[in-house]
Amino acid sequence: EDKVVQSPLSLVVHEGDTVTLNCSYEVTNFRSLLWYKQEKKAPTFLFMLTSSGIEKKSGRLSSILDKKELSSILNITATQTGDSAIYLCAVVYFGNEKLTFGTGTRLTIIP
Amino acid sequence: EAQVTQNPRYLITVTGKKLTVTCSQNMNHEYMSWYRQDPGLGLRQIYYSMNVEVTDKGDVPEGYKVSRKEKRNFPLILESPSPNQTSLYFCASRPLSSGDGYTFGSGTRLTVV
Repeated sequence: EDKVVQSPLSLVVHEGDTVTLNCSYEVTNFRSLLWYKQEKKAPTFLFMLTSSGIEKKSGRLSSILDKKELSSILNITATQTGDSAIYLCAVVYFGNEKLTFGTGTRLTIIP
Repeated sequence: EAQVTQNPRYLITVTGKKLTVTCSQNMNHEYMSWYRQDPGLGLRQIYYSMNVEVTDKGDVPEGYKVSRKEKRNFPLILESPSPNQTSLYFCASRPLSSGDGYTFGSGTRLTVV
């Protein structure tokens, strides 16, 4: 059975800290991995990663996929209260548009 | 403004009364998909569509139907809703060739009593 597991489930840090969120997967026909940020309602897209191993960056956020370890990390540096959200990862399958999401990491930033 | 529009935003209904949640996107995207989100279970894919008249099951399709007669619209139909379909539903779309992920609608909170 395909699995996408995120860790930790919940994380509370102080503003200014750096955090690393993890997403591991055991799936067949892996094509790519997506990261999303979900605040109040709809998830918003952050990054798409493939087995190329190329790191993606956007401001204080960065992410990379390790195809040997079947995992991806999302780094957030110099965290701000606006980074408080649930962070979701999802695996996209090769050959179709089926997606499997992890259950998410709830990140809370304390001022 | 480029967006995915779902309606209604909130719906309370009774068991067994057929309902449709509409989804429309104005970005000419080929791919569209429906998800439900439940506490502790995360987002789970119900159905997806890779183009007009092409639909396929996700992980939790039981009790749902979809259709894709036009590129912009992808309605979700609950023929006979039951309380276990109480959930937060999201529609999403993305273009055929893109390095981007799905753009999500604002969600529909459905309660079946």
